[in-house]
Amino acid sequence: GAGVSQSPSNKVTEKGKDVELRCDPISGHTALYWYRQSLGQGLEFLIYFQGNSAPDKSGLPSDRFSAERTGGSVSTLTIQRTQQEDSAVYLCASSIREADTQYFGPGTRLTVL
Amino acid sequence: RKEVEQDPGPFNVPEGATVAFNCTYSNSASQSFFWYRQDCRKEPKLLMSVYSSGNEDGRFTAQLNRASQYISLLIRDSKLSDSATYLCVVTQTGFQKLVFGTGTRLLVSP
Repeated sequence: GAGVSQSPSNKVTEKGKDVELRCDPISGHTALYWYRQSLGQGLEFLIYFQGNSAPDKSGLPSDRFSAERTGGSVSTLTIQRTQQEDSAVYLCASSIREADTQYFGPGTRLTVL
Repeated sequence: RKEVEQDPGPFNVPEGATVAFNCTYSNSASQSFFWYRQDCRKEPKLLMSVYSSGNEDGRFTAQLNRASQYISLLIRDSKLSDSATYLCVVTQTGFQKLVFGTGTRLLVSP
């Protein structure tokens, strides 16, 4: 079956612009997670959704970052006024329910010039 | 100090060799433990969960030492296709986020 999909696969933007990253989880998966992977930093947790609510936003690095999920399916991660330090690969994962195995999408590679 | 620490490597081994990676974690409340594999410019994929009694999946053996807060992965009879970065991952009870180490890079050569 179809895995987690993310779009765009690559995004180049100028400093100060807003960007939206999209995640389509595996059909039927109720839990959705966003992570980012910066060079040399490893993967870090950003936010977690159960259904449309976000019980854990603890990883969002600043108020320029926000995310929403609608219809218990697609999620959008928005970064406002992008900075060069936002350059990273943004990975989305989903699991059938909380605490189950997380399956990752291919990621969106964001480059802020 | 990072919550999950790994030797970044790279570990360079010949085909057929046995190689072991260790990882330490700092949060004693950690409850679930995993090894993920990540190929270059690809997403992480679950390799195996790690159980207190230790577990094996083919050529791969994982061990957990809760008292010392470390996790190990042993790969026997290394294949060229095992070349990848191996990520040590932990979670805590009630928390859904995965906490990743920075990974250990393995290069298997002919």
